[in-house]
Amino acid sequence: AQKVTQAQTEISVVEKEDVTLDCVYETRDTTYYLFWYKQPPSGELVFLIRRNSFDEQNEISGRYSWNFQKSTSSFNFTITASQVVDSAVYFCALSEAWRDMRFGAGTRLTVKP
Amino acid sequence: DTGVSQDPRHKITKRGQNVTFRCDPISEHNRLYWYRQTLGQGPEFLTYFQNEAQLEKSRLLSDRFSAERPKGSFSTLEIQRTEQGDSAMYLCASSLGVASNTEAFFGQGTRLTVV
Repeated sequence: AQKVTQAQTEISVVEKEDVTLDCVYETRDTTYYLFWYKQPPSGELVFLIRRNSFDEQNEISGRYSWNFQKSTSSFNFTITASQVVDSAVYFCALSEAWRDMRFGAGTRLTVKP
Repeated sequence: DTGVSQDPRHKITKRGQNVTFRCDPISEHNRLYWYRQTLGQGPEFLTYFQNEAQLEKSRLLSDRFSAERPKGSFSTLEIQRTEQGDSAMYLCASSLGVASNTEAFFGQGTRLTVV
C-alpha cells in the first residue's frame, strides 16, 4: 500500500531563511512516482515537480531543490532564501505505476517578512 | 481558459438532499481524478477514470457517491442523501497518459457545505 508522511505540520521562518520540507514514503512497488504540489491561500493545487523511482538525481529549479534518497525513502524539498510569496501548504504525493496519486497531510509554511 | 474547470465553485445544501458536481478536464487529457479535501488535510483519493472507464474507487466512496465520465470527456460526481460529514472541498484533476507518471492538473474545487 502506498503511504506518504509529512511529519512537519507547520513551519514558520523569516524571509531569506532556507527551509526544508520533509517527505517520507512507503511503497512495495519498484516503479513509482513522487510529486510535490503547492497550495497557496487561493486553494488551487499547483504542480512543482515529478520524480520517478529510477532517477535519484537531485534537481534544482531556481530557489527550489529536491533531494530524493531511495535508501531512506525520502523526497525532501528545500526552498533557499525564502520569500513571503512562498507561504502556502506544500504536499508530497506518491503514485505507484498504473494507480492514483496519494497525498501526505501537507506542511503549512509561513514566511514572515 | 484551458485549465481544469469545476462547477459550481460553492454549494450549500440541506442534509438529505442530492448534489451533483461537474468537472471539465483539460481537453486532451485522458485521465480524470476526483479527490476530497477537508480542512487541514491533504487531498484524499476518491476515484479515477481512464477515458470513460472508472478504474479505481476508494473505500471512502460509499454507495451514496457515484461518478461518471460519459464519452471520456467531462465528469460528474453525485452525492445522494448528503450528510454533514460530506462537507469538504471536492477537487478534480486531469492528466495525460496511461500510467501514473505524469503530473495531474487540478481545478479550483467545489466547496460543499451540508447544513
